[in-house]
Amino acid sequence: SAVISQKPSRDICQRGTSLTIQCQVDSQVTMMFWYRQQPGQSLTLIATANQGSEATYESGFVIDKFPISRPNLTFSTLTVSNMSPEDSSIYLCSSGGAGGSYGYTFGSGTRLTVV
Amino acid sequence: AQSVTQPDIHITVSEGASLELRCNYSYGATPYLFWYVQSPGQGLQLLLKYFSGDTLVQGIKGFEAEFKRSQSSFNLRKPSVHWSDAAEYFCAVGNQAGTALIFGKGTTLSVSS
Repeated sequence: SAVISQKPSRDICQRGTSLTIQCQVDSQVTMMFWYRQQPGQSLTLIATANQGSEATYESGFVIDKFPISRPNLTFSTLTVSNMSPEDSSIYLCSSGGAGGSYGYTFGSGTRLTVV
Repeated sequence: AQSVTQPDIHITVSEGASLELRCNYSYGATPYLFWYVQSPGQGLQLLLKYFSGDTLVQGIKGFEAEFKRSQSSFNLRKPSVHWSDAAEYFCAVGNQAGTALIFGKGTTLSVSS
């Protein structure tokens, strides 16, 4: 299975600012996913990021708020823009793609607190 | 609609007792099934996964799960729970194409002494 390095692991940010989260995969993966886990909740899919195309966002998530980049098959970033306290969550990236038997690896998560 | 249901929000078991966490799924394609554990303040750790073959799968930390296609279930079991097993447990479903996992709402496990 792929190994994903995610950073930062945690951050405390001021409202109105933006934070970019990075995920580096140790092998090429066709799909990457970004999830949000609000306090005490399960994981909710934000978007699917494919290399060379715009990310596909789930209902309730928009590109202006959560811009995603996927410049190659081993790297992706998620930016949380114009943050408010409601954005305080754990954000996780995951790999996926064809042959799901070796996919579905998660990064260790970014714990974001907005004050 | 595709979904994963974990009927038990919170379970408390005594240390040394057996454990079963329930998971039911509704999925249009052949499911790939997963159980993850999350300790407070930590990321997700994969306990076990089922893709095909033997319907009883063994995982880490002494956990096992049984896939029952007729019941659309993938219940997690452990014969003897340790205090360190107290955590949040998530069941998830995916597929061979590797599209995004769908997660259940999770079950919080507490272990009493």
